[in-house]
Amino acid sequence: GAVVSQHPSRVICKSGTSVKIECRSLDFQATTMFWYRQFPKQSLMLMATSNEGSKATYEQGVEKDKFLINHASLTLSTLTVTSAHPEDSSFYICSARVRQGTDTQYFGPGTRLTVL
Amino acid sequence: AQKITQTQPGMFVQEKEAVTLDCTYDTSDPSYGLFWYKQPSSGEMIFLIYQGSYDQQNATEGRYSLNFQKARKSANLVISASQLGDSAMYFCAILSYNFNKFYFGSGTKLNVKP
Repeated sequence: GAVVSQHPSRVICKSGTSVKIECRSLDFQATTMFWYRQFPKQSLMLMATSNEGSKATYEQGVEKDKFLINHASLTLSTLTVTSAHPEDSSFYICSARVRQGTDTQYFGPGTRLTVL
Repeated sequence: AQKITQTQPGMFVQEKEAVTLDCTYDTSDPSYGLFWYKQPSSGEMIFLIYQGSYDQQNATEGRYSLNFQKARKSANLVISASQLGDSAMYFCAILSYNFNKFYFGSGTKLNVKP
């Protein structure tokens, strides 16, 4: 299957700082990337859909100014958590959609964010 | 609107036996995709199997097969010959082609007993 990398895998930061998470498709071009958030023992919650060269589409209830998404190229999307607070602590997972074959999405390994 | 329902929060199966994980869905899309993903304790999401809504035959991938019953709107995952490494969370998801996004069920935690 296609490979998606995510960096960093784990980050601890102080309240009020900003954190950037990168998502890269390593062996394919992804016109669409998704950002999810997952709380312990819960399902994935879609935060936003990121399309290369255009503004991200955010799900209802997700603050655009808090979670900045930039899809700069066909292989890179970034999520920046601005002015992070402890309630932003979570597991963030990106995925890239492959528009051929099974049309599935391949996931990055996730980033565990802890805000102190 | 799209909705995925997984009614089994947790299941146990004996090693080497088969197990069926339930998934029902509701969608207004004329065509859609159905997926199953596995999430081990490490957190990574692993794609297992895909079924297109217009596919006549049930999808199979190795020990995984998808029991697709379109009229009943169900897409159950069957794992044959369970292995200890199959212990994980399993998520069913639907791809809405209309909205270009995936909707996930709440997941089923599978425990394989030796």
